[in-house]
Amino acid sequence: QQQVKQSPQSLIVQKGGISIINCAYENTAFDYFPWYQQFPGKGPALLIAIRPDVSEKKEGRFTISFNKSAKQFSLHIMDSQPGDSATYFCAASRKGGGNKLTFGTGTQLKVEL
Amino acid sequence: DGGITQSPKYLFRKEGQNVTLSCEQNLNHDAMYWYRQDPGQGLRLIYYSQIVNDFQKGDIAEGYSVSREKKESFPLTVTSAQKNPTAFYLCASRLIVGARGNQPQHFGDGTRLSIL
Repeated sequence: QQQVKQSPQSLIVQKGGISIINCAYENTAFDYFPWYQQFPGKGPALLIAIRPDVSEKKEGRFTISFNKSAKQFSLHIMDSQPGDSATYFCAASRKGGGNKLTFGTGTQLKVEL
Repeated sequence: DGGITQSPKYLFRKEGQNVTLSCEQNLNHDAMYWYRQDPGQGLRLIYYSQIVNDFQKGDIAEGYSVSREKKESFPLTVTSAQKNPTAFYLCASRLIVGARGNQPQHFGDGTRLSIL
């Protein structure tokens, strides 16, 4: 009930291409879905987040698509750049109980020139 | 600058030894969290605290202990009971009081703990 499944585990994209990372969840009580970006040796940094009352949220080159009926959400990185090479984590939390985050297992993205 | 400071960046533990990881924040955040990160497993919650002098176990609390005597500090002790302590430990904090909507967790840059 608390699991968040993330795929793919790793991804190689050409510069200028679109990177797509997918997540699926089981707990219908989740109501907050953030994406974090992590560089080696650093802590995760919030990239973008969405609530289930909207189907899409865009911030610059980053877009979250959310499908409530399928219990899936995805991150799209448009015009991918070498500087986007990092590990990306999806997560989910619900109100109450400390708003604890349940994380996916991460996707290692490499953007090649 | 406001932020979350974790120290030390690298820590080595001998067998049977307890070690304490420091986490300090000057963001005036109410809640603080400790996660453990292992390769291929994402982040797993160890302990969290929403107010001073109160904390709750997360998913993998066995072998760990915490205290929350001050709002800005949330140290984590890795005890000798934790048989596989080698990992990257991350501290996070979040605003609760006065927040509008769901506030995100902000992370420090972690402490890497290794066994000698």
